[in-house]
Amino acid sequence: GAGVSQTPSNKVTEKGKYVELRCDPISGHTALYWYRQSLGQGPEFLIYFQGTGAADDSGLPNDRFFAVRPEGSVSTLKIQRTERGDSAVYLCASSPGHSNTEAFFGQGTRLTVV
Amino acid sequence: GNSVTQMEGPVTLSEEAFLTINCTYTATGYPSLFWYVQYPGEGLQLLLKATKADDKGSNKGFEATYRKETTSFHLEKGSVQVSDSAVYFCALSAYFQGAQKLVFGQGTRLTINP
Repeated sequence: GAGVSQTPSNKVTEKGKYVELRCDPISGHTALYWYRQSLGQGPEFLIYFQGTGAADDSGLPNDRFFAVRPEGSVSTLKIQRTERGDSAVYLCASSPGHSNTEAFFGQGTRLTVV
Repeated sequence: GNSVTQMEGPVTLSEEAFLTINCTYTATGYPSLFWYVQYPGEGLQLLLKATKADDKGSNKGFEATYRKETTSFHLEKGSVQVSDSAVYFCALSAYFQGAQKLVFGQGTRLTINP
């Protein structure tokens, strides 16, 4: 596709359940980022992939959060044992991976844990 | 660590008014600075950027100048339109292992009335 695609656009889940959020970056972009945006706040960095490897996962809040990018393209953010505090919009972005280039954002997945 | 502080909203103006949204930053080294915009129902889009001190970024009538001495990157527009209503985010990038890691401010919601 032309832009970064995230699915689903909305996800409602019960506390304690497992969820997967998918990101399909722009074709050819080697860098992929996940951010989390809580209500009324700016996006906060979670994890960054360069190719298949997680180059920086310092923003993941705890070990319930995990992300993969097995073939260097599509990425999945996985959240185990969801908590109400995980409710937020999860944003994915991609860039060509060179310095000072624009990161292109998807429209996000709104996760609501009830 | 790196951080961004921007003017709290919401901001409400009349069409053709002058706009300023303040942004200051704290960073080690020499970050690049950005303004992102989020229109209703859409994803984050890059509005403008500046990569070094005294650079001026501009786009769609908006401008911001990278001021190292005051660690600021204020967004300005001389005459706003209803279509400028959106949430604006100031951000800086910390370059790490070949890609940008963005740090965002909390966002400023702008509403322009006709």
